Amino acid sequence: AQKVTQAQTEISVVEKEDVTLDCVYETRDTTYYLFWYKQPPSGELVFLIRRNSFDEQNEISGRYSWNFQKSTSSFNFTITASQVVDSAVYFCALKRAAGNKLTFGGGTRVLVKP
Amino acid sequence: DGGITQSPKYLFRKEGQNVTLSCEQNLNHDAMYWYRQDPGQGLRLIYYSQIVNDFQKGDIAEGYSVSREKKESFPLTVTSAQKNPTAFYLCASSVGTSGSKGNEQFFGPGTRLTVL
Repeated sequence: AQKVTQAQTEISVVEKEDVTLDCVYETRDTTYYLFWYKQPPSGELVFLIRRNSFDEQNEISGRYSWNFQKSTSSFNFTITASQVVDSAVYFCALKRAAGNKLTFGGGTRVLVKP
Repeated sequence: DGGITQSPKYLFRKEGQNVTLSCEQNLNHDAMYWYRQDPGQGLRLIYYSQIVNDFQKGDIAEGYSVSREKKESFPLTVTSAQKNPTAFYLCASSVGTSGSKGNEQFFGPGTRLTVL
């Protein structure tokens, strides 16, 4: 069975601080995909990144960076120099190579205060 | 421009009534999905469809029904059999199911259903 755990339910930071969101997953598959989505107050989920299990390179996109460590089954997400617009709920998700189902973590609410 | 639309944004229903939530996409995606989100929780899969005229139950299909008569449309009916229907419902679509290109799911703006 697949499982995704986001242990942090809520993180509050002051603008310009860095914030790291943890994601730990469980799967018996050797090939799988990991995702991060952002859900702003409007409700729509916005796709941020997809990572394949066989690609352990870390990735940076602007102020966002992702650290994938297969040895510890973690796929953590860091927002550098946070801004108020980063306030949202962030979800980590796991998908098997075959099939459609996304298994979501419970989400982490990030509150960035001015 | 391409995207996923859901209507209505807010929906109120009396207990015992069926209600249908609309989901339309113009992304030419083969696969479509319905998720339910309860306050402070993650998303749970209700139903999904990989191709027209075919759909499968997700993790929490009881009390829901779907149809997929057209590629662009995947309506969800919340029936009176659903014991606790008040929730936020999200529709999503993806290109397909195989290979790395087909994995991202793109989401609509959601419908918030409240049962009175």
